[in-house]
Amino acid sequence: GAVVSQHPSWVICKSGTSVKIECRSLDFQATTMFWYRQFPKQSLMLMATSNEGSKATYEQGVEKDKFLINHASLTLSTLTVTSAHPEDSSFYICSAPLSYDTGYEQYFGPGTRLTVT
Amino acid sequence: AQSVAQPEDQVNVAEGNPLTVKCTYSVSGNPYLFWYVQYPNRGLQFLLKYITGDNLVKGSYGFEAEFNKSQTSFHLKKPSALVSDSALYFCAVRPPGFQKLVFGTGTRLLVSP
Repeated sequence: GAVVSQHPSWVICKSGTSVKIECRSLDFQATTMFWYRQFPKQSLMLMATSNEGSKATYEQGVEKDKFLINHASLTLSTLTVTSAHPEDSSFYICSAPLSYDTGYEQYFGPGTRLTVT
Repeated sequence: AQSVAQPEDQVNVAEGNPLTVKCTYSVSGNPYLFWYVQYPNRGLQFLLKYITGDNLVKGSYGFEAEFNKSQTSFHLKKPSALVSDSALYFCAVRPPGFQKLVFGTGTRLLVSP
């Protein structure tokens, strides 16, 4: 299967600071990537669709100015949590789909645990 | 609207017994269906998918799923459960014309020795 990496795997930051999370497709190119948020013992909540070379598409209720997404290349998308607060503490997961002929089968990164103190 | 239902929060099964994790979906058009597994503090791992063709789909780690169009179901099965199968399982549907997935709420599988 395809490989998607995330960095860092965990991060602790102070309230008011910003944190950047990287998502990379290691062995395939991805014009689209997805960012999810997962609360303990809950399902994944799609936050936004990251589009290479254009603006991200945010799901309803997600603050685009707080969760900045940049898809600078065909293998890298970044999520920056700006002015982080304790309620932003969560598990963030990215994914990237393969091509149309695979049914856009998605591969997921290992996730990033963010703790805001 | 597209949706996926996983009616069981948790499934308990003894090692060696068959397991079933249920999933039903609601989507306009022909569905693309997926199963993923998540181990603690990890991302999701792809298990199997149904796009078209044979209704019985075989995937990783001995898992299989049966697509039933009339019942709009895509239940995950394994003939003989292992303790190491204990994890969180997600069913997902990709609506036609979209790349994003719609996930179910997840089912925790607990296999006891």
